Amino acid sequence: EAGVAQSPRYKIIEKRQSVAFWCNPISGHATLYWYQQILGQGPKLLIQFQNNGVVDDSQLPKDRFSAERLKGVDSTLKIQPAKLEDSAVYLCASSSRFTEAFFGQGTRLTVV
Amino acid sequence: AQSVAQPEDQVNVAEGNPLTVKCTYSVSGNPYLFWYVQYPNRGLQFLLKYITGDNLVKGSYGFEAEFNKSQTSFHLKKPSALVSDSALYFCAVRDLNYGGSQGNLIFGKGTKLSVKP
Repeated sequence: EAGVAQSPRYKIIEKRQSVAFWCNPISGHATLYWYQQILGQGPKLLIQFQNNGVVDDSQLPKDRFSAERLKGVDSTLKIQPAKLEDSAVYLCASSSRFTEAFFGQGTRLTVV
Repeated sequence: AQSVAQPEDQVNVAEGNPLTVKCTYSVSGNPYLFWYVQYPNRGLQFLLKYITGDNLVKGSYGFEAEFNKSQTSFHLKKPSALVSDSALYFCAVRDLNYGGSQGNLIFGKGTKLSVKP
């Protein structure tokens, strides 16, 4: 089966610019997660969707980060405006009721 | 709050020797525990999980993990290490407070495994 698809793989932007990441989960997976992985740390959840509803966004910096999952399939994560400390790998993952979470390859964001 | 700890930043092993990567957990209730591996510039790949049942869990690429409730540990093991096992390993626990059985994964900081020829 096809895995979790993410794009772009790499992105370099200047601080205060905006950026968007896209994720296409595994077909049939109702749950979608966005994680932020800062160099040298484990991934940290930003937001979790169940179908197109938000389950947990308690760690999402809502003043600059936003995410949506239209029609319960694809998802977009946006940062506006970006800060230097947003430099990280952004990982998307999906799961179903009977499976563990499957991760995409991630988007490496560098803010300069 | 649920959490996992990986006490070692790096583990060095000679090829052919057994390896252990340590993980301890802190949860309220029964733990759902996972191990993932991350190769450079790649996403996380699932290795194995413990939900219930046998304390010794077998996973991908010859890895296994032992669940020890009294010591609140879930150490990853392999009888004979390969150079290709060199990667970053993450232990994780499922947060059942949000999303129940689909709750998000809370990760440790990771342990870098280096296997030398």
